[in-house]
Amino acid sequence: EIVMTQSPATLSVSPGERATLSCRASQSVSNNFAWYQQKPGQAPRLLIYGASTRATGIPARFSGSGSGTEFSLTISSLQSEDFAVYYCQQYHNWPRNTFGQGTRLEIK
Amino acid sequence: QVQLQESGPGLVKPSDTLSLTCAVSGYSISSRNWWGWIRQPPGKGLEWIGYIYYSGSTYYNPSLKSRVTMSVDTSKNQFSLKLSSVTAVDTAVYYCARTGSYNYFDYWGQGTLVTVSS
Repeated sequence: EIVMTQSPATLSVSPGERATLSCRASQSVSNNFAWYQQKPGQAPRLLIYGASTRATGIPARFSGSGSGTEFSLTISSLQSEDFAVYYCQQYHNWPRNTFGQGTRLEIK
Repeated sequence: QVQLQESGPGLVKPSDTLSLTCAVSGYSISSRNWWGWIRQPPGKGLEWIGYIYYSGSTYYNPSLKSRVTMSVDTSKNQFSLKLSSVTAVDTAVYYCARTGSYNYFDYWGQGTLVTVSS
């Protein structure tokens, strides 16, 4: 099983500032990688797929980068609605895709 | 607009079978997508349960494979999940979702909380 490890577990950032979240795969997943955002009481929402392609309707302040085993999600200027939990996922080993444990982005 | 909606009992007794259905609207379940179930225990992360194709082909998470059965009903544009011999560790929010072109999950249902308790 490919293990996805996210860091940090919690990230405290002020509105308007930049946030960078990281995810590491235990083996290469090429660019078969996605980011999701989950707000309390809601389903996850696809943000990024293919490591760097924004999903439909996702604002340009969200950007993804990386390939192989190291990935990052950057939110350029945090808005109040961006504070949530973020999950990474590899689908390189589909159907045995796996998620990271999540990073909680909180208001500083 | 693709929409998915889970339905089923919110409370299941230990050792019983959990049964959920996912109704899909705005999109044909017979299109070239896999359909999945994912669960999330309270306060924890996401775990995939399995996938089904409109033809009935399935993939199950090896850790749950002995207890999981998924089925599809193309006439009703819906698919279903059965999880047998449940225990408290199966208490979770259960989501159904559609896989996109490269098997990430692009559309999700709102989720339904299933509690296993006597």
